Amino acid sequence: DTGVSQDPRHKITKRGQNVTFRCDPISEHNRLYWYRQTLGQGPEFLTYFQNEAQLEKSRLLSDRFSAERPKGSFSTLEIQRTEQGDSAMYLCASSLSGGFNNEQFFGPGTRLTVL
Amino acid sequence: DAKTTQPPSMDCAEGRAANLPCNHSTISGNEYVYWYRQIHSQGPQYIIHGLKNNETNEMASLIITEDRKSSTLILPHATLRDTAVYYCIVRGGLYGGSQGNLIFGKGTKLSVKP
Repeated sequence: DTGVSQDPRHKITKRGQNVTFRCDPISEHNRLYWYRQTLGQGPEFLTYFQNEAQLEKSRLLSDRFSAERPKGSFSTLEIQRTEQGDSAMYLCASSLSGGFNNEQFFGPGTRLTVL
Repeated sequence: DAKTTQPPSMDCAEGRAANLPCNHSTISGNEYVYWYRQIHSQGPQYIIHGLKNNETNEMASLIITEDRKSSTLILPHATLRDTAVYYCIVRGGLYGGSQGNLIFGKGTKLSVKP
């Protein structure tokens, strides 16, 4: 299966620690998206990349969050000085570039718990 | 992106058709209707999308009204594995002029019962 993969699947950390998540998109997909989902809510957009360029950030992405996509392949999402409010499922999705006729394929997500 | 309205929950008997409605009365002419579903503790899964015409694939059918203000997702023979939250999303705008991210609401929680 060559779908979107995310690592780790689960992460438990203490408040104040830094965490990093990885997403490997479908290989031929140029666009990569990060979303966050809290309990009982739909996913919320955080940021997206077109190849290696980060083109958009949501206001949800505070200064403690940083995302990279070196060489336009995998992406990492780092959260510094985690807070309990950061506890959520972090989802990655990828798609072919351009237009609105290209579906996004989601990974299984990384569930973060901040104690 | 235009907003959508969906019932918060629905039940369906196993083997029967599940018809999930969605209202999108402010949709504009170049916006697509997308459906995703999310099974518990998994990432969302793409189901189907359409612009004007009805669409069918191996998973479902999408019926869009002529005025495009509402649509219905049809699962022809629901199984227990179809129990999930179903999201109706309107997506579009100028080609390449927006980030293309999906805006999810709370969706409809479909429970398929034996």
